[in-house]
Amino acid sequence: ELKVEQNPLFLSMQEGKNYTIYCNYSTTSDRLYWYRQDPGKSLESLFVLLSNGAVKQEGRLMASLDTKARLSTLHITAAVHDLSATYFCAVDIRGTYKYIFGTGTRLKVLA
Amino acid sequence: DTEVTQTPKHLVMGMTNKKSLKCEQHMGHRAMYWYKQKAKKPPELMFVYSYEKLSINESVPSRFSPECPNSSLLNLHLHALQPEDSALYLCASSQGGTGQGVLSNQPQHFGDGTRLSIL
Repeated sequence: ELKVEQNPLFLSMQEGKNYTIYCNYSTTSDRLYWYRQDPGKSLESLFVLLSNGAVKQEGRLMASLDTKARLSTLHITAAVHDLSATYFCAVDIRGTYKYIFGTGTRLKVLA
Repeated sequence: DTEVTQTPKHLVMGMTNKKSLKCEQHMGHRAMYWYKQKAKKPPELMFVYSYEKLSINESVPSRFSPECPNSSLLNLHLHALQPEDSALYLCASSQGGTGQGVLSNQPQHFGDGTRLSIL
């Protein structure tokens, strides 16, 4: 059974601090996606990681992918309150349109 | 503003009612999806249409009936729902494949969702 697990599930951090969210998956997939969801809102695409070693950065967020370890990280640098949201990673099953979402990480940045 | 439009935004219905959720995109995407999301949980895939044909049905109960009238529209027909079906229903689209294979290196674009409550 394909599993996509994130940790931590909940993260409360102070503004200005750094932290990393981890996404582990159990199938062979070399495409990984990160999404953000604000409370009561839809999902917004953040990053698409297409190959082993891929690294992408946007503002205070940086995502990386290690397909051999089946691990992706989302690193937060100098957190600000506006980053408070739930972050999901997702993988797709090769050759299909099936996307599996991770368990989600609820991030709360305290002012 | 989202490029995937879902209507209605909120829906309250009784267990004997019949209603439909609608989704529309004009990005030329050829794959469209229905997800169900419960509070504080990740989205769960329900159905996928590829080139207007049902590609994936994740063993969804028959009280949910999807329909893809054309490449821009996706409907979800609801009948005799149960209270546990109350959730946020999300529609998404992605570029899709070439017809000869799956091109899945594009993210999904999500609508704002329909919040469904079953009385």
